[in-house]
Amino acid sequence: GENVEQHPSTLSVQEGDSAVIKCTYSDSASNYFPWYKQELGKRPQLIIDIRSNVGEKKDQRIAVTLNKTAKHFSLHITETQPEDSAVYFCAARGNFNKFYFGSGTKLNVKP
Amino acid sequence: GAGVSQTPSNKVTEKGKYVELRCDPISGHTALYWYRQSLGQGPEFLIYFQGTGAADDSGLPNDRFFAVRPEGSVSTLKIQRTERGDSAVYLCASSKTGTDGETQYFGPGTRLLVL
Repeated sequence: GENVEQHPSTLSVQEGDSAVIKCTYSDSASNYFPWYKQELGKRPQLIIDIRSNVGEKKDQRIAVTLNKTAKHFSLHITETQPEDSAVYFCAARGNFNKFYFGSGTKLNVKP
Repeated sequence: GAGVSQTPSNKVTEKGKYVELRCDPISGHTALYWYRQSLGQGPEFLIYFQGTGAADDSGLPNDRFFAVRPEGSVSTLKIQRTERGDSAVYLCASSKTGTDGETQYFGPGTRLLVL
């Protein structure tokens, strides 16, 4: 089955700086990669996703890049704000649309 | 409209007891997923329903875990003879048809603690 690895496990940045979270996957058949934000005690919320026929997607301060050859994808958050502080999970879609999640990155944005 | 809901929000039980966790998906969503999230980890796939049938139960850890969705809407995850290692947050998600790349909407989860 699919194996998703995520780095770093924790990330601390100053408000206004950029944050980058990286994930790798093992199954070359995976073709859909969502990113979820999870605040403490809350449910995961989809923030951005990318399909394998696209190399980059951007939504305001958030962007995701995908390198199919290397089987890795990254989340980029620019101009970080304290409310961006949360745990971020990457995921890769496997058979039957089930998702394999990374282990999460705890992002702390210091004011 | 209403999102995915789960009950109870918290469940404390003793080792060896039986528990049932309920998921109400978004109305009209035919695809329903159960995940388990241990502390500090990402959600881990358990089982996927398409309508009333379990299309993929490969993530269930052992035969103490079972899930049903008799009318293709509400689903119940059942755990027999609970063990301390079963303590986790159990998340339910639904999507409209289960096809490629659809967004999965997560419920708030049930936090299970086995003493």
